[in-house]
Amino acid sequence: SQTIHQWPATLVQPVGSPLSLECTVEGTSNPNLYWYRQAAGRGLQLLFYSVGIGQISSEVPQNLSASRPQDRQFILSSKKLLLSDSGFYLCAWRYLGRGNTEAFFGQGTRLTVV
Amino acid sequence: AQSVTQPDIHITVSEGASLELRCNYSYGATPYLFWYVQSPGQGLQLLLKYFSGDTLVQGIKGFEAEFKRSQSSFNLRKPSVHWSDAAEYFCAVGAPTDTDKLIFGTGTRLQVFP
Repeated sequence: SQTIHQWPATLVQPVGSPLSLECTVEGTSNPNLYWYRQAAGRGLQLLFYSVGIGQISSEVPQNLSASRPQDRQFILSSKKLLLSDSGFYLCAWRYLGRGNTEAFFGQGTRLTVV
Repeated sequence: AQSVTQPDIHITVSEGASLELRCNYSYGATPYLFWYVQSPGQGLQLLLKYFSGDTLVQGIKGFEAEFKRSQSSFNLRKPSVHWSDAAEYFCAVGAPTDTDKLIFGTGTRLQVFP
């Protein structure tokens, strides 16, 4: 069966520090991968998605970047965190090219920038 | 591009009462539609999905949703709410012509009183 791992679960970082959140999927190959951010009153905002290694689509201009160095690994990064980067970050995967299938989510990372 | 609106930010119901959560989408054809539930601090769990066929879809935990093309809606219903249904609910839309994106609404927080 497929599983998705996301870490860390919680993170407190000072303003201006770098960020690296990691997400890995097991039990499937060539998945679509997604990073979402959940902030109060804004629902789930799609940040990035990827259809393959090195292929990243950005949905919202921001202080963050994403990379996919391996087929089942998706990393969310920032060089210098802002207060506004605080939120709950969720990684998800879907079967590639099958839009009628649901996304499967990790447990999320609660990021607090102080 | 597809989009989705959940007009109700917060809904409060009594245990045993019926529930309807609204979801309206914007897309030129029949989209793929999903409802997810999120417990506090957790990832998202799929309740049900629609992509074709019978417009009334049954999901887990006694939930159902009806696709109405004329109203561009996909409302979630439950005949009798349990206290354990208190959570945040998200509607999501995917497009058959853009199978990679999955866009979520802002969510509806459900509170259940005994």
